[in-house]
Amino acid sequence: GNSVTQMEGPVTLSEEAFLTINCTYTATGYPSLFWYVQYPGEGLQLLLKATKADDKGSNKGFEATYRKETTSFHLEKGSVQVSDSAVYFCALSDGSGGATNKLIFGTGTLLAVQP
Amino acid sequence: GAGVSQSPSNKVTEKGKDVELRCDPISGHTALYWYRQSLGQGLEFLIYFQGNSAPDKSGLPSDRFSAERTGGSVSTLTIQRTQQEDSAVYLCASSLVGGRGYTFGSGTRLTVV
Repeated sequence: GNSVTQMEGPVTLSEEAFLTINCTYTATGYPSLFWYVQYPGEGLQLLLKATKADDKGSNKGFEATYRKETTSFHLEKGSVQVSDSAVYFCALSDGSGGATNKLIFGTGTLLAVQP
Repeated sequence: GAGVSQSPSNKVTEKGKDVELRCDPISGHTALYWYRQSLGQGLEFLIYFQGNSAPDKSGLPSDRFSAERTGGSVSTLTIQRTQQEDSAVYLCASSLVGGRGYTFGSGTRLTVV
C-alpha cells in the first residue's frame, strides 16, 4: 500500500543554518505530495504541496520538489529561524483513483532551531 | 465557521468509560476526516466522510470506535469502553474536495487513566 517515510528527529540546527528533511514515498499511480507543519500548541497547517512530477512547492522560504525518479519530496530551507521550530509532516494523497483521497502521513520530524 | 472547531480540547476519562469527541467543520466543506496522533507516531487515518457517500471506515482500529456525521456537517467520534492505548490527540480535518487543502482543527487530547 501507499506509505511515506521521513527522517527521524529531532533535528537541531543553529539559526541561519541550511535545513533538509528527507521524505520518500511508495505509491501506485500519481499522488499529490504535501508538507504540513505543526507549531507548538497549534494544529497542523499546510506548508506546501506539489501535484505532479517535477513540480516545486514553496512557501515561507521552504521548498520541496516532487521527484518521481527517486520517489522523494525532500523539504529544504536555506536559512532557518528560531520561529521555524516545529514538527514537520510529509504526506501524500491517495488520489490515484482511490475512493477516499485521504492523506497518508509520515511520522513527523521535530525541528529545533537554536539562536 | 472560520475554522475547524473541535471539542472538548482536553478530555480525561477512566478506563472503561465511553467518550464522544465533536468536530464542527468549515461551512460548505463536503469532506471530513478523523485522524489520531499518538506520542512518537505519525497521524493515523481513522475515518473519512464525503458528502452522502458511505464513509471510509478502513482506519478504525477496533469496533469500539465509531463515527457519524449528521446533516453533512458536524461529526462525532465515539470510543466505547476506553482503554489506555486510546490516549492520543484526535484530529479532525475538512476540505472542499477530498484530499486537497485540508484544514485541521486543534484536536482533542484524550487521556485514559
